[in-house]
Amino acid sequence: ETGVTQTPRHLVMGMTNKKSLKCEQHLGHNAMYWYKQSAKKPLELMFVYSLEERVENNSVPSRFSPECPNSSHLFLHLHTLQPEDSALYLCASSQATSGIYNEQFFGPGTRLTVL
Amino acid sequence: AQTVTQSQPEMSVQEAETVTLSCTYDTSESNYYLFWYKQPPSRQMILVIRQEAYKQQNATENRFSVNFQKAAKSFSLKISDSQLGDTAMYFCAFMKKERFFNQGGSEKLVFGKGTKLTVNP
Repeated sequence: ETGVTQTPRHLVMGMTNKKSLKCEQHLGHNAMYWYKQSAKKPLELMFVYSLEERVENNSVPSRFSPECPNSSHLFLHLHTLQPEDSALYLCASSQATSGIYNEQFFGPGTRLTVL
Repeated sequence: AQTVTQSQPEMSVQEAETVTLSCTYDTSESNYYLFWYKQPPSRQMILVIRQEAYKQQNATENRFSVNFQKAAKSFSLKISDSQLGDTAMYFCAFMKKERFFNQGGSEKLVFGKGTKLTVNP
């Protein structure tokens, strides 16, 4: 595997289900991100982790719970979601370096449908 | 807060022709980056080109070039010799340099809503 991978690619869940999205980066980066991409809306940053520490929670509802067990893996745990949470969830990674811009590399996303 | 506006929801162009996608942004910052990302039907977001605000020279990457007008807060993307593989959603994005991570630096991107580009044969 190369780059940033995400599983599953598609997920359909009911409002009472609990599921998890997984992201893995094979680039040796130390920062990882979750974005939400809804139809007709800009990509929204949800969470940022640097060195496995959460450094940003962009006012995301508590029904979304991130986990970063190590610098290569990022999870998004989902529970009691709403239909309006249906969207494409994108993961990204970068090498956070002081004073230097570092490109974010994106995964292919998980298409989530909440019934 | 920064905002990014893409006023063209959809555009189309004939193969081999040139097309320009528009982007404007609003910020009070002087030190920032601007980007164009491409998202083909495969959904993989790919960086096309980036521009550093303190550089007056417009960035170019092969067939892709930008027209960066800092005073007007405008950042358009020109695609020359359009190819069928250029069909995708194109997103303009802004990043402010700020102390963010413990090591310093920031990669907090603000995106526009995107422009759907179709290249016709």
